[in-house]
Amino acid sequence: GEEVAQTPKHLVRGEGQKAKLYCAPIKGHSYVFWYQQVLKNEFKFLISFQNENVFDETGMPKERFSAKCLPNSPCSLEIQATKLEDSAVYFCASSHGPRTGNYEQYFGPGTRLTVT
Amino acid sequence: SQKIEQNSEALNIQEGKTATLTCNYTNYSPAYLQWYRQDPGRGPVFLLLIRENEKEKRKERLKVTFDTTLKQSLFHITASQPADSATYLCASVYSGGGADGLTFGKGTHLIIQP
Repeated sequence: GEEVAQTPKHLVRGEGQKAKLYCAPIKGHSYVFWYQQVLKNEFKFLISFQNENVFDETGMPKERFSAKCLPNSPCSLEIQATKLEDSAVYFCASSHGPRTGNYEQYFGPGTRLTVT
Repeated sequence: SQKIEQNSEALNIQEGKTATLTCNYTNYSPAYLQWYRQDPGRGPVFLLLIRENEKEKRKERLKVTFDTTLKQSLFHITASQPADSATYLCASVYSGGGADGLTFGKGTHLIIQP
C-alpha cells in the first residue's frame, strides 16, 4: 500500500504484561524504523531494519524489547513485562532503499500504548 | 552524542507573515537534516531534506537553509496561513546511509493567527 499501517491504534496493558505492536511498511520500501514518542514531542529512535535484517538497534532496551521484520509478514515490536515508563506512542516508519537515494521517512499513525 | 535543539517551544505568527524556525546541532556534523510536520494525533509528515553540501532548498512556500559554520538550519514558511499551524520537527542523520535512525529535536509548535 501507499501508507504505513500500524495496529492496533490503542493498547492497554497492566504492568508486567506483554505488548505486541504491528507495522506494515509501504510496499517496495527496504527500510523500516521504530520510534517511541513520550511527553508529546520527545522522539526516541529504537531500531531500524534493512529488509529483514536488523541494521541499527542502538536505541533498543534489549532486556525487554525485541523486533522483527520477516518476509511476507508485518513487522512487529514486542515488549515483554511492560513497565509504566513504556507508556508512549510508538511510530513505525519506512523509506526507500539505497537505489533511489531518497531518505525521507514515511510514518504510520502510531500505536498508543498505555501501561497501568 | 548527537544533539538537536529547536530553540522555540512555541511560535505565534500573524497570517501572511513569514515564520522562521531554528534548529541547532552540537557535537557532530550531520550528513543531512530533515524537517517534518506533525499534527495532533498523527505521525510526522516529511517536508524537506537538505544535505550538508547544500546551502538552501525550496518547495512551494517552504525554504530550508543549512549553515555548517553556525551549525544551524533555518526553516521558513512564507505567506503563512492558519492551516500551517502544527508542530514542526527538525531531524538529523549522522551518516549518509538511508537506514540510519533520525535524531529529532523537541519540535516547535507554530500557531498562525488569522
